[in-house]
Amino acid sequence: QQQVKQSPQSLIVQKGGISIINCAYENTAFDYFPWYQQFPGKGPALLIAIRPDVSEKKEGRFTISFNKSAKQFSLHIMDSQPGDSATYFCAASVQGGKLIFGQGTELSVKP
Amino acid sequence: DAGVTQSPTHLIKTRGQHVTLRCSPISGHKSVSWYQQVLGQGPQFIFQYYEKEERGRGNFPDRFSARQFPNYSSELNVNALLLGDSALYLCASSLPANTEAFFGQGTRLTVV
Repeated sequence: QQQVKQSPQSLIVQKGGISIINCAYENTAFDYFPWYQQFPGKGPALLIAIRPDVSEKKEGRFTISFNKSAKQFSLHIMDSQPGDSATYFCAASVQGGKLIFGQGTELSVKP
Repeated sequence: DAGVTQSPTHLIKTRGQHVTLRCSPISGHKSVSWYQQVLGQGPQFIFQYYEKEERGRGNFPDRFSARQFPNYSSELNVNALLLGDSALYLCASSLPANTEAFFGQGTRLTVV
C-alpha cells in the first residue's frame, strides 16, 4: 500500500512534443505529490508538486494533473526540449514524512 | 544561497569497512532525510531527522545509523559494508512544517 507505481519506464518524444508520465498510488493518506527531475550523476531536483485538494497545477511548461478518485497523477511536459532529457520520478508522502518514489521514467527528447 | 551539500562526492570502500557520509542542509532547514538510490531505481528512504530527533526509519538493517547535530548537519554511518551497499546516497533537507524536500548531489559509494 506504500507503493507508487510509475509508467512508462522509458519514453522517447520528438522536440516540441508533449511528454506524459503517469503515477498511481494506493495509500489515501498521501497528501503531497512531487515530481523530481534527475540528470546522470546528480541528485533529484524538485520540479513541481501538488496537494490532493487541487486537480491541476501548472508551472511554465510543466503541468501536474491529479485525479483523487482514481488515485492517479501525471506530469505533462509541453513543448519538450532536448534539455528535458533526464529521468523523472514521481513521489508521495504523508504529512512531511518520508518520500515514497516511483521507479522512474527515462525521457529522451529527440531533436 | 548554498543548496544541500554532501561530502565526499565519491568514495570507494572495501567489504567489511565502515563509512561516514556527511550532509549540510540549506540554511534555515531543520529536517534532514537520507535516501539510498541504487542504479536504475528510485531513491529509498533510510532516515529522517528533525531537531536532532529521529522521526522515521526505513527498512534498512541496523548497520545503518545516523545522527543530526545542533547546527542541523547530519551524518550517515554504515558499518560492515557489503557489496550491495554500493549506491548513490542522497541527503534532502526541508523547512519545518514544509513538505518540499531539496536534495544534494549525493555521495557515490562503491564497495569492492
